[in-house]
Amino acid sequence: RKEVEQDPGPFNVPEGATVAFNCTYSNSASQSFFWYRQDCRKEPKLLMSVYSSGNEDGRFTAQLNRASQYISLLIRDSKLSDSATYLCVVNTGANNLFFGTGTRLTVIP
Amino acid sequence: DAEITQSPRHKITETGRQVTLACHQTWNHNNMFWYRQDLGHGLRLIHYSYGVQDTNKGEVSDGYSVSRSNTEDLPLTLESAASSQTSVYFCASSGQANTEAFFGQGTRLTVV
Repeated sequence: RKEVEQDPGPFNVPEGATVAFNCTYSNSASQSFFWYRQDCRKEPKLLMSVYSSGNEDGRFTAQLNRASQYISLLIRDSKLSDSATYLCVVNTGANNLFFGTGTRLTVIP
Repeated sequence: DAEITQSPRHKITETGRQVTLACHQTWNHNNMFWYRQDLGHGLRLIHYSYGVQDTNKGEVSDGYSVSRSNTEDLPLTLESAASSQTSVYFCASSGQANTEAFFGQGTRLTVV
């Protein structure tokens, strides 16, 4: 079983839409969680960390459910510039980061 | 500004040749990682290091080696390049435990 699993998409949504991505992780001892964004042919960049209490950064909201071992990312009022691949990342506590395969989002005018 | 750089950005090599990809970071991070990214697999960990003289195998380490002689550098060596090692390689570093990693711009390697 993979450490981190994500729906690969693609998600094609109109501008202004709300879209949500989920990801599950297998190691219950995982200690920290992140969402990264990756543009085509570029390196992954941190979008936001995910905290147990949930956290928000502008149009982006991240949630963690430890009991069910899943992480979510909600994007409100989608912009064309949000088009990218979103990677769910889990740190298992051995200071290793495990990446999901990514969910591809395309925002359509 | 601190950064992490990879070189070369693009490389074409022949099957059987030894190839070394460089990774250099100026954050003074203890933790450094090498990943490869292929369609359908996402990012997979090749090798990692928690400090000088420390190296560890990751999920897909066969055919690769690393060495850590100083804090700043973690070169990745393909001992005898194979076509299956055609991929995009990313180096990353992180500071404290459980913090995010920062990535280099990637090296696109083609083995012909």
